[in-house]
Amino acid sequence: DAGVIQSPRHEVTEMGQEVTLRCKPISGHDYLFWYRQTMMRGLELLIYFNNNVPIDDSGMPEDRFSAKMPNASFSTLKIQPSEPRDSAVYFCASSNMGDQPQHFGDGTRLSIL
Amino acid sequence: QKEVEQDPGPLSVPEGAIVSLNCTYSNSAFQYFMWYRQYSRKGPELLMYTYSSGNKEDGRFTAQVDKSSKYISLFIRDSQPSDSATYLCAKSGYNKLIFGAGTRLAVHP
Repeated sequence: DAGVIQSPRHEVTEMGQEVTLRCKPISGHDYLFWYRQTMMRGLELLIYFNNNVPIDDSGMPEDRFSAKMPNASFSTLKIQPSEPRDSAVYFCASSNMGDQPQHFGDGTRLSIL
Repeated sequence: QKEVEQDPGPLSVPEGAIVSLNCTYSNSAFQYFMWYRQYSRKGPELLMYTYSSGNKEDGRFTAQVDKSSKYISLFIRDSQPSDSATYLCAKSGYNKLIFGAGTRLAVHP
């Protein structure tokens, strides 16, 4: 079975540019989570969706960040405009239930110059 | 205080050693507990999943939960260099998981 698929795996761009990260969850999973991981702050939950509806976006750092889930098999995390402090690894995860084990993608390593 | 506390290490042990990784938590609600393993440049992968207090064993790995002291542990027997990774503990929350900071483990031959 295919796991959670994220693209791109690496992204290097200049400050001020728009960045779009993509995620395809495991088929049949009703919950989708976006995380950010840094050495300083560890794994931080940014936002999660249930049945394509955003439930909790309290972890989204600023209005520059937005996430959408137009259908059950696709989600995006967008940063506009990007800043160097946004450099991190961004993970997408999905699960059957919100408090059950989550399955992670391999992440997008984002570098903002 | 963070809801899940975990010593970030790093922890360095010789091959064959018994490794003990530990976390404490502060909120007793929603008590599913998990251990994830994360290799460099990869996503976290589920290693162990438990609900009740006591021990759960899977091969060389044992997860232990002590709800009275709010303490969760992962033991690795006969550690191997391939066990070198970051280990994250997690507990269930309100429709989401709360992760510890992760402990970096290095097993040297």
